Amino acid sequence: GESVGLHLPTLSVQEGDNSIINCAYSNSASDYFIWYKQESGKGPQFIIDIRSNMDKRQGQRVTVLLNKTVKHLSLQIAATQPGDSAVYFCAEKGWGGSYIPTFGRGTSLIVHP
Amino acid sequence: EPEVTQTPSHQVTQMGQEVILRCVPISNHLYFYWYRQILGQKVEFLVSFYNNEISEKSEIFDDQFSVERPDGSNFTLKIRSTKLEDSAMYFCASSGGTSYEQYFGPGTRLTVT
Repeated sequence: GESVGLHLPTLSVQEGDNSIINCAYSNSASDYFIWYKQESGKGPQFIIDIRSNMDKRQGQRVTVLLNKTVKHLSLQIAATQPGDSAVYFCAEKGWGGSYIPTFGRGTSLIVHP
Repeated sequence: EPEVTQTPSHQVTQMGQEVILRCVPISNHLYFYWYRQILGQKVEFLVSFYNNEISEKSEIFDDQFSVERPDGSNFTLKIRSTKLEDSAMYFCASSGGTSYEQYFGPGTRLTVT
């Protein structure tokens, strides 16, 4: 069946480094993708989104890249800070029917000072 | 900054009992959602609600579940006869309707014993 998944369950980086979190999706009909951040004990928090007609979108310290050819999504965090430590989920949303996101399993980002 | 709130933060109940989880969405939002997250697993969609009726629901949202917007501010999830496997974090979310961005509450941890 269709699924959204993440390559690595845990990513450890040093403060100040750039972080890259990857996500693979399999639903070719998906046209909208979202990254969420979930800190311990809190609900998911929207970070950035991208539509399928774009390859790249930048926010504050974050960049999302979309490669539709290989159905791959990545989240880049520049100058990672301890406050970035959290679980990051990608989610996909299909077009024209359901507007409900399908979440991936999540990658735990650990930032060492 | 407006936020989604949920009560209680933790609910312990015995198997077979009814529970009601409460949410106060962001005041000018029109779409409301419930999700659950079993410990260590993905966030899973349960139900969406718009214009005083369910707009989408997942396979998880069976006859044991119901939602209600009893007044202009609260949005509730009722589980009629809880099972052990209902133990999870339950997140409420809301969105304004002009974008897909959903704002999540902090969650209610439901423990069924």
